[in-house]
Amino acid sequence: SAVISQKPSRDICQRGTSLTIQCQVDSQVTMMFWYRQQPGQSLTLIATANQGSEATYESGFVIDKFPISRPNLTFSTLTVSNMSPEDSSIYLCSVVGGSNQPQHFGDGTRLSIL
Amino acid sequence: RKEVEQDPGPFNVPEGATVAFNCTYSNSASQSFFWYRQDCRKEPKLLMSVYSSGNEDGRFTAQLNRASQYISLLIRDSKLSDSATYLCAVNSAASGTYKYIFGTGTRLKVLA
Repeated sequence: SAVISQKPSRDICQRGTSLTIQCQVDSQVTMMFWYRQQPGQSLTLIATANQGSEATYESGFVIDKFPISRPNLTFSTLTVSNMSPEDSSIYLCSVVGGSNQPQHFGDGTRLSIL
Repeated sequence: RKEVEQDPGPFNVPEGATVAFNCTYSNSASQSFFWYRQDCRKEPKLLMSVYSSGNEDGRFTAQLNRASQYISLLIRDSKLSDSATYLCAVNSAASGTYKYIFGTGTRLKVLA
């Protein structure tokens, strides 16, 4: 399976600041997704990162708060903007290589907002 | 009704026991199915895909029941290291789109 590098692995940020998380894959993939998982909770899909076009956001998530880029088939970024303590969570990128293939996850970014 | 449902557990079992989890899905058009393992504060990792004919990987057996719309995971001879949360995922891809739905996970604790 693809090797997925997610950076940073963790960060502690001040309220009101923004953080950009990077997801780099070692091979071209069909789909890239961004998830959030709060402690003890299930995965929540934020958006599908579309190559060369705007991301597709799930209900409750908006581009102004979580801008996403995907300039090519191996790289994507998620920005968490104007952070508040409620944004403290683990953020995960995942990739899919092709139709009916499983998702594979990066090792996550653990974000704490003070 | 949720699209994908799992019993959250926890399932507490002694070492050596056999344990089974089920995961029900509501979309009869679902095409592919997976089991993931997630350790505390780690990312989900693919445990196995679930094939129509059922499949086995060592102590782990996955099965699909399309008529009743559920998948199952059987763990034989449980080890302490099997303690984790097990997530099912269902892919309802259609017309070139991908829609993966994850269950909330079932916690397993294997006790010495």
